[in-house]
Amino acid sequence: AAGVIQSPRHLIKEKRETATLKCYPIPRHDTVYWYQQGPGQDPQFLISFYEKMQSDKGSIPDRFSAQQFSDYHSELNMSSLELGDSALYFCASSYRPRGNEQFFGPGTRLTVL
Amino acid sequence: KQEVTQIPAALSVPEGENLVLNCSFTDSAIYNLQWFRQDPGKGLTSLLLIQSSQREQTSGRLNASLDKSSGRSTLYIAASQPGDSATYLCALLTYSGNTGKLIFGQGTTLQVKP
Repeated sequence: AAGVIQSPRHLIKEKRETATLKCYPIPRHDTVYWYQQGPGQDPQFLISFYEKMQSDKGSIPDRFSAQQFSDYHSELNMSSLELGDSALYFCASSYRPRGNEQFFGPGTRLTVL
Repeated sequence: KQEVTQIPAALSVPEGENLVLNCSFTDSAIYNLQWFRQDPGKGLTSLLLIQSSQREQTSGRLNASLDKSSGRSTLYIAASQPGDSATYLCALLTYSGNTGKLIFGQGTTLQVKP
């Protein structure tokens, strides 16, 4: 069965640079979620989209922005990177929101030097 | 605000033991509860999902229960094996916006010794 695809899997950036993470949901899934997991931490909800509209926002810095495109894939744009942005970034998708299971991608490991 | 607590934070057992991981939460207004496994530096593997209206789910050697009234869930692992060594996270899908969001506990790191 098709799973959530995230690219790139690993990314190394310098401070103050910009990064773009991509997420391709499971076919027919219309809802996308982004989570950030810092070293030794539990995953924290960043933002979600349903039918290409932002649905909910968590602890996402103003330096980050995201969108969902017409083909339902999503991109997380991160600017002015800081050392503290080094983390594992997970994307998850579901078919319809509100209570349906979220399926997680393998994550993108971002390292900021 | 939903708070999720997992006890113990770490657990070491000999191979073959049955064990229970605990998860408690403060707000019973949830869609479902999910247990995940995470190996070091790796992704999240979903183990079991219990809908809000259910009491338990079973998959192989794993059994998860949910008691919303007391704000508790347990993950029971039977006949533990060294391959079960990992961090186990419980996560609650809470009402939030149009989509809901998962709130995770901080996990229990399990080591099963041969």
